[in-house]
Amino acid sequence: GQNIDQPTEMTATEGAIVQINCTYQTSGFNGLFWYQQHAGEAPTFLSYNVLDGLEEKGRFSSFLSRSKGYSYLLLKELQMKDSASYLCAVRDPNTGFQKLVFGTGTRLLVSP
Amino acid sequence: IAGITQAPTSQILAAGRRMTLRCTQDMRHNAMYWYRQDLGLGLRLIHYSNTAGTTGKGEVPDGYSVSRANTDDFPLTLASAVPSQTSVYFCASSPGQENTEAFFGQGTRLTVV
Repeated sequence: GQNIDQPTEMTATEGAIVQINCTYQTSGFNGLFWYQQHAGEAPTFLSYNVLDGLEEKGRFSSFLSRSKGYSYLLLKELQMKDSASYLCAVRDPNTGFQKLVFGTGTRLLVSP
Repeated sequence: IAGITQAPTSQILAAGRRMTLRCTQDMRHNAMYWYRQDLGLGLRLIHYSNTAGTTGKGEVPDGYSVSRANTDDFPLTLASAVPSQTSVYFCASSPGQENTEAFFGQGTRLTVV
């Protein structure tokens, strides 16, 4: 089975940096995804990690340590529009390559 | 515009009624999924299809059925709706390769009364 843990809620100030952690326990591993979801909208893809290390994409970066079952999403220069839920998801190898198992998400509130 | 479309956007349904949520994608993706999203529980997989003609059960399949007659369509049917099926339902698709992300439809908000 899969177990994915994220903090429920975080708060930060506009212009700051925030790190959202995700830990997972899986029988196998085929990659970890981060999604952003604004209230009332669909999740949208942010990043993908399958090898250890940091992937940078503009203001957003994602880190993976497979040996520790750990990932984080780093958001820099926070903007009000970054207020959203951030979902960590692990690809489940037990059904082939395609199935994603999601954590419950971290709600980020950015204040002025 | 290429993408994934769900219908209806929202629905209020009487308990015991049958309902089909529609999902269509025009990206020729092999894999499609149905998730439900409930407060505090996150996205939970109901059913999935790795390719046309095949389907599989996810974490919470009871009370739901799916079919995948072709690549583009993946309808989700509630045979006899119950109030616990009140949720937001998201359809998603992905090309099928292991390093590719899933694309989500805009969601269907279903209320069973």
